[in-house]
This record gives sequence, structure tokens and C-alpha cells, in this order.
Amino acid sequence: QQQVKQSPQSLIVQKGGISIINCAYENTAFDYFPWYQQFPGKGPALLIAIRPDVSEKKEGRFTISFNKSAKQFSLHIMDSQPGDSATYFCAASGIHQAGTALIFGKGTTLSVSS
Amino acid sequence: NAGVTQTPKFQVLKTGQSMTLQCAQDMNHNSMYWYRQDPGMGLRLIYYSASEGTTDKGEVPNGYNVSRLNKREFSLRLESAAPSQTSVYFCASSEWGLGNNEQFFGPGTRLTVL
Repeated sequence: QQQVKQSPQSLIVQKGGISIINCAYENTAFDYFPWYQQFPGKGPALLIAIRPDVSEKKEGRFTISFNKSAKQFSLHIMDSQPGDSATYFCAASGIHQAGTALIFGKGTTLSVSS
Repeated sequence: NAGVTQTPKFQVLKTGQSMTLQCAQDMNHNSMYWYRQDPGMGLRLIYYSASEGTTDKGEVPNGYNVSRLNKREFSLRLESAAPSQTSVYFCASSEWGLGNNEQFFGPGTRLTVL
């Protein structure tokens, strides 16, 4: 049973455009929702994360929008750049116990064309 | 700080061979994890250690064993490698109690089982 569903699987965006990646979760006990960025040959690195007490969080060109009632959250990349070309993973977990694993979506490969 | 380090970076095994993947972190984190990443599957949890002296199974533990050697080190062992274990393996660590579940990932071990 896939607890975090991510779409689209791949995305091509022109330089300067907006990239949008969506995720949906099932477990209402989740209360931490990060996005990880992974470049080829590297490990995933935290990009931005949100807790469910806010509906939006922005860090530079990256914004998470969170809809608790719909159990959905999305990543928006404004003014997309070729350097943003990478694989993006959404994830979800609880935070109230040590050793809680992240449940990952299957990933979105983003290509930003120049 | 080196963060999370993994050895080896690459490994080729024959079916039935055994090997141990090493992981170490220098961030004084309590919790450590082993994930595997397969194309189109995201990252899936193999085993985790909530704190030194404890280990627990994750989503896909069959064919693997782990050892939490001390607070810094967490190893993953394949006793009899199978082609289905061809994957990229990531170790991660986190600290609980900070209001999030940020996990820091190593660079990965790329394993091929022939």
C-alpha cells in the first residue's frame, strides 16, 4: 500500500517557468512533510519541509503549499533554472517518536531546458 | 563535519556472496536508517535504529541484517546476495525532539549482484 503518491513522474519546464509537483498522503497521523532534492550520483538532500499547522512555506524560489483537508501538498519552483534539474521526492512522517522513518513518494524527474 | 559517510561507493557481487555496507555519522545523531532506492520506486526503508543498542525492521528487511556498532556507526549486511538486491543503498541519520524529522543522507553505495 503506497502511503504517499507523487505526480507527475517526469516534468519538463522551460527556464524561467514554474515547476509544480504534487503529493497526496493517506495517513492522517503524518505531521511532517519534507521535499528532498537529489542530483545524479548523490544522496537526497532536504530542500524544504512543512508542518500541518501552516498552509504555505516559502524559501527563496521554493514554496510548499499544504492542504490538510485534502491530504495533499505540493512543491512550486518559481523561475525554474537549469540547475534545478534533478529528481524531487516528497515524503511524510510523524515526529513524536525517535527513529520514525520517512515514507517517500516515487519521485519526479525535473528537466529545465535553457 | 563530513556528515554521513558510506563505504564502499560501488560494489559488484556474485549471487550468494556476502558483504557489509558501512555507514558512519559525525553529527551525534541518535537515530540511523538504511534505505534502498530502485528506479521508479522512491526510497524504501530496510532497517532502522532509533537509538544506540536498538534495531528494527522496516518495509523491506528480507535478506538483510544490521548492526548498530556504536552511536556513530550502523552497518548493513547481505549474507547471501541475490540479483533482486541490486540497488542503491543510502544510510541516513536524524536527531529526535527538534520538532521535525530531518534526515541527513550519505552519498550511497551502488550495488550490483550478478
